[in-house]
This record gives sequence, C-alpha cells and structure tokens, in this order.
Amino acid sequence: DVKVTQSSRYLVKRTGEKVFLECVQDMDHENMFWYRQDPGLGLRLIYFSYDVKMKEKGDIPEGYSVSREKKERFSLILESASTNQTSMYLCASSPRPGDTKNIQYFGAGTRLSVL
Amino acid sequence: AQSVTQLGSHVSVSEGALVLLRCNYSSSVPPYLFWYVQYPNQGLQLLLKYTSAATLVKGINGFEAEFKKSETSFHLTKPSAHMSDAAEYFCAVTRLGYSTLTFGKGTMLLVSP
Repeated sequence: DVKVTQSSRYLVKRTGEKVFLECVQDMDHENMFWYRQDPGLGLRLIYFSYDVKMKEKGDIPEGYSVSREKKERFSLILESASTNQTSMYLCASSPRPGDTKNIQYFGAGTRLSVL
Repeated sequence: AQSVTQLGSHVSVSEGALVLLRCNYSSSVPPYLFWYVQYPNQGLQLLLKYTSAATLVKGINGFEAEFKKSETSFHLTKPSAHMSDAAEYFCAVTRLGYSTLTFGKGTMLLVSP
C-alpha cells in the first residue's frame, strides 16, 4: 500500500514562529502536494511539486513556501506563522499523469493551531 | 478552468436508506472525476474514479457513481447506508495530462440509527 506520512498530527505554535510541516511518501511518486482544509471551503491547493527542486504555486500560496530536496520528502514552511494559518494541512502524492490516472494518496493530516 | 459543485454541505439519512450525494462539474474538455471519503481525524481515501471508460463506476464499500455528460454530473450513491458511512465526501475533477485536482467543498454524510 502507498504510505504518505506527515510528521505531526497536532502542532501548536505562536504567532511569528517559523513552522515546518514534513511529509514523506514511500511509493517513488513524482508529484507531491500540500493542501489546506477549512470547514466549508473544502481542500485548497497551496503548492505542488512535480520533481525534485521543482514547484508550482497552487491557489493560495501566500504566506507559505515549500522545499523538495529529495523525491520522497516535501516540506511546507510557514515563514512567520499567523493566526489565520490555523488549519488542517494535508499532504498528498501521485504518479505522473497517465499512470493510474492522477490518483492522489493522502496523509492523515496535521492540525496546526497558531496562538 | 475546471470546477466542481457539491450540492448540500450536509446530508442526513437513516441507516438502511439510500445515500445520494450530488456532484456537478464544469469542464471544457473530457474530465476525469473522483470521489474521496474522509473519516474523522483521517486523510482522504479514494472511493472511486471515472477516467472515460464505463460510465457507471463501482467503488469500495458498496458505493457507485454514474457519469452523465448531458447533465455534467457524477453523483455518488449507495443503496443502503451503514453507520460506518458517516464521513465527509469530496468530489474532484481533473483532465488528461494534468497533475492537480480541483475539489468540491465537501458533503458531510450523517447516518442515524
């Protein structure tokens, strides 16, 4: 089975802190994604990466950056956390388009609270 | 641009009743469509997918969905609800050659005894 592992299930941080959310996948997938999930808004794409060191902005990249130094690992960085970044963050991975038709596999999520 | 609309943020059914969760999509090219389920405090899990083969797609846990091009719909159904079906359900759309999915806002399914 594909496994996508997010390093923390719950995080509590203070306003202004630099926050790192880590995600690791074990299926050699080319694509990795970071989403934010808020009640009534569904999933919104923050960034995705289609290869090592490659990234593209999603729908809501402001206030976030990402890093992908190794194929299996994709990090989401909040440079200076703010209270409006309190949310559930979901990581996903998928093979390139054309392989198994874009199925994304998700981690369990990290619930971040910024106080 | 592609988009997905899920009608009803909450749907309540009794155990044993039919489940119908609605999804309408907008796409200028043939779409690929997905239903995902999210159980409490978990990530999303794929229920089923449509990728231009059979229009009636069967998924896990007894769910199925029918692609209707004329209605731009991809509604999710299950003949008989079980308490364990209580979860949030997301419809998503993409297209050939694209890596990203566009998700709907989700429908919470509540199942009462």
